[in-house]
Amino acid sequence: QKEVEQDPGPLSVPEGAIVSLNCTYSNSAFQYFMWYRQYSRKGPELLMYTYSSGNKEDGRFTAQVDKSSKYISLFIRDSQPSDSATYLCASTTGGGNKLTFGTGTQLKVEL
Amino acid sequence: EAGVAQSPRYKIIEKRQSVAFWCNPISGHATLYWYQQILGQGPKLLIQFQNNGVVDDSQLPKDRFSAERLKGVDSTLKIQPAKLEDSAVYLCASSRDRANTGELFFGEGSRLTVL
Repeated sequence: QKEVEQDPGPLSVPEGAIVSLNCTYSNSAFQYFMWYRQYSRKGPELLMYTYSSGNKEDGRFTAQVDKSSKYISLFIRDSQPSDSATYLCASTTGGGNKLTFGTGTQLKVEL
Repeated sequence: EAGVAQSPRYKIIEKRQSVAFWCNPISGHATLYWYQQILGQGPKLLIQFQNNGVVDDSQLPKDRFSAERLKGVDSTLKIQPAKLEDSAVYLCASSRDRANTGELFFGEGSRLTVL
C-alpha cells in the first residue's frame, strides 16, 4: 500500500466549476500536508500548506485535512483555464523526514 | 530571489551510458533534494543533503546513482550505467532548513530519456 494515494484522473471540468481533489494517506505520523501544482514540463510549486487537521483558505483555494479519516482535500472555486495542471498532494512527519507525494491528479479546465 | 537552477533541461542517452545533472539551489537554502519523477507518478526522493552532508539516501540505487554536494551549495547527480527504467524527470529542490515541514522549492527538472 502506498503511503499517499491519489486518483490520477484526468479530470475535466468547465470553466467556473468547483473542483474537488482528494488524497488518502496511511501513515498516522504525518503532521504536515501540502498541495503542489505542476504545470506541464515544469517543476512542482507549493500551492497550499496545512499543519495537522483543519481548513485553510487562500483565495479560490481551500485545503482540508481530516486526520481521523486520513483524508486530504483541495477545493478550487470558480475554476479557470489557468488552473489546468497536475495537482500533487504530499505529506511528511516533519523533523527532517522525507516528503511523500501522491501520484498527482491531472486537471483540465475547459472554456 | 532567483529560483532553483538545473541543467541540462533535456538529455537523451543510450543504455549503459553515463549522465550527470547539475543543480544550484536558492541562495541560503541549507537543504537540497534530488527527486525522480517517472511519467504519471509523483516525485520520489532519491537523496537529501543538509549542507554538504547526506541526510537520507535510502531510496538511491547506489549501484548506479551517485550524488554530491560540494561546499554545501551546488550539487550533481550522476547515473552510470543508465538503464531504460531510469527514463524520468530529475527534479532538484531546496528548502530553508532541515525541519522539512514540506515547503520545498523545485527547479524545472532535467528530463532524461534512455534508449
